[in-house]
Amino acid sequence: DTGVSQDPRHKITKRGQNVTFRCDPISEHNRLYWYRQTLGQGPEFLTYFQNEAQLEKSRLLSDRFSAERPKGSFSTLEIQRTEQGDSAMYLCASSRRTGDTYGYTFGSGTRLTVV
Amino acid sequence: AQSVTQPDIHITVSEGASLELRCNYSYGATPYLFWYVQSPGQGLQLLLKYFSGDTLVQGIKGFEAEFKRSQSSFNLRKPSVHWSDAAEYFCAVPTSGTYKYIFGTGTRLKVLA
Repeated sequence: DTGVSQDPRHKITKRGQNVTFRCDPISEHNRLYWYRQTLGQGPEFLTYFQNEAQLEKSRLLSDRFSAERPKGSFSTLEIQRTEQGDSAMYLCASSRRTGDTYGYTFGSGTRLTVV
Repeated sequence: AQSVTQPDIHITVSEGASLELRCNYSYGATPYLFWYVQSPGQGLQLLLKYFSGDTLVQGIKGFEAEFKRSQSSFNLRKPSVHWSDAAEYFCAVPTSGTYKYIFGTGTRLKVLA
């Protein structure tokens, strides 16, 4: 069990550029979640996958955001035409069964800074 | 709707002192409740969780939490704080019947040597 891996750890980008983050969950976990955390706040839910199916997207996830989980393994989160308001920590988590029973395992996050 | 409130934004304690971090929730039924810890620049680590049964739950790193239904609280405690406990602590509850968590705004703990 190597934990949940996220790449990159830090990303600085200019406004208007596209960025993509990757998350590798724990191998036997079939559920994968993306959260966003801004300074001084708790994480906020963005989206959730069960295997390769994206089952829910938060209203926080505008049309500029897209997430995929091909083959139910790793996941990517892409932000197009980044804005300064997108600056945040993007957290990925995975769980083996229903998340609310077992608790998530979080990755270390990707900190995005849009300048 | 479910909600989580952590009334204390910052708490400072001396090393070796006891600690209590407050968490109040709003939930229609008996909730699952979680405490996570986040060190600077890191992701969140699960400290402990409550599902049912014994209302006093033991976690990692010497932490415990007590579920009090009458007070809608799930406060985190530690008898003797270590300098390495300095971090941000989040209480969380899943939305009813789903996999999404609602997190509190967190309590940042500072430990004085």
